[in-house]
Amino acid sequence: DTAVSQTPKYLVTQMGNDKSIKCEQNLGHDTMYWYKQDSKKFLKIMFSYNNKELIINETVPNRFSPKSPDKAHLNLHINSLELGDSAVYFCASSPGQGYGYTFGSGTRLTVV
Amino acid sequence: GQQLNQSPQSMFIQEGEDVSMNCTSSSIFNTWLWYKQDPGEGPVLLIALYKAGELTSNGRLTAQFGITRKDSFLNISASIPSDVGIYFCAGGNSNTGKLIFGQGTTLQVKP
Repeated sequence: DTAVSQTPKYLVTQMGNDKSIKCEQNLGHDTMYWYKQDSKKFLKIMFSYNNKELIINETVPNRFSPKSPDKAHLNLHINSLELGDSAVYFCASSPGQGYGYTFGSGTRLTVV
Repeated sequence: GQQLNQSPQSMFIQEGEDVSMNCTSSSIFNTWLWYKQDPGEGPVLLIALYKAGELTSNGRLTAQFGITRKDSFLNISASIPSDVGIYFCAGGNSNTGKLIFGQGTTLQVKP
């Protein structure tokens, strides 16, 4: 069983479209995250939820909206996609704040 | 904001050699972690350090949490081809709840 699973693995879409990425964890962790990895492999936090409550919201355009229907799921919806949104997006979870994360395998988003 | 400086940026070594990489920060962290990322995959946790001065091993890997809480190193002994990948350090604070990642060290191992 995959501990942190994201779908889709690859997403190619046109500028201006709206898309969603889904994430589910079966580890029983309380905290989930979205990270963005750019072309230089730099990992930057976007959002964090603890038990369905938003606790971290970095400087991210409001076109990005996370949603956590329950503590095992954290989805990311992106409106009006732009070329600069192309990156790999990683979902992660941890048993609590400040502990090691378990990452999903990533969603490679390409905006054309 | 908090930043981590990870070095070296890349390494190209011969199989069997030992490897050392480190991270430094101007900020204090109460957690240091080391991850490895293979192509097309997410980072995988290698070693987690939770106490200043802590020295922890995981097989051929050894990592230390610096006494000042502002640095950490990772050593890999007797490297093998499957050690190839990108290694990331990450510093965390339980009060902020987020991990700050270094820029990564790309390791290539020549058989």
